[in-house]
Amino acid sequence: QVQLQESGPGLVKPSQTLSLTCTVSGGSISSGRYYWSWIRQPAGKGLEWIGRIYTSGSTNYNPSLKSRVTMSVDTSKNQFSLNLSSVTAADTAVYFCARGAVVRGSPFDPWGQGTLVTVSS
Amino acid sequence: NFMLTQPHSVSESPGKTVTISCTRSSGRIASNYVQWFQQRPGSSPTTVIYEDNQRPSGVPDRFSGSIDSSSNSASLTISGLKTEDEADYYCLSYDYNLGYVFGTGTKVTVL
Repeated sequence: QVQLQESGPGLVKPSQTLSLTCTVSGGSISSGRYYWSWIRQPAGKGLEWIGRIYTSGSTNYNPSLKSRVTMSVDTSKNQFSLNLSSVTAADTAVYFCARGAVVRGSPFDPWGQGTLVTVSS
Repeated sequence: NFMLTQPHSVSESPGKTVTISCTRSSGRIASNYVQWFQQRPGSSPTTVIYEDNQRPSGVPDRFSGSIDSSSNSASLTISGLKTEDEADYYCLSYDYNLGYVFGTGTKVTVL
């Protein structure tokens, strides 16, 4: 079955750009049946949707983060990516990637295992 | 904007039934599907209910979801509670302007 794995730096300095990649295995990211999302969770807190990207490149972002977020997809590598600019300590969180069903099914299933990103100098 | 408010925590004994509410602050709860996710400690969330009341394959029928337009809320009911059900549960819905919005989360403790 499809699996997702996040990767990227675990430590980012304030004001810099956080960059993460999600690698999809066991299935093609090019399937038009799905879209691909990022969600984050600060330690001990709830979940926050960051945004999603379709294989076509079309995106939807959380309005509260929209000015700082860019997502992209690389079908040749079966990966999609997240860039979050001008980070502060408030962006410290576990970042998850997830697949969503376009027509029928859960909007986030499955999820990656998550990767902790700490924003600190 | 809208929020999805859940009780902070619920607890019950094994074999009993718990119901978690998810109240939408504005807009109709029935306007978009509600999903429910289970997150065990140290793990990624998994879907237990999608599209208001649908169970993914592998999720036991002890889990059920419903919508109540009169209270503008969704509910997740877990019957025959087991120790393995101890986890955080989050509801989720969608808004055209906001995108996906998660509920505040509920910690379920099995006594």
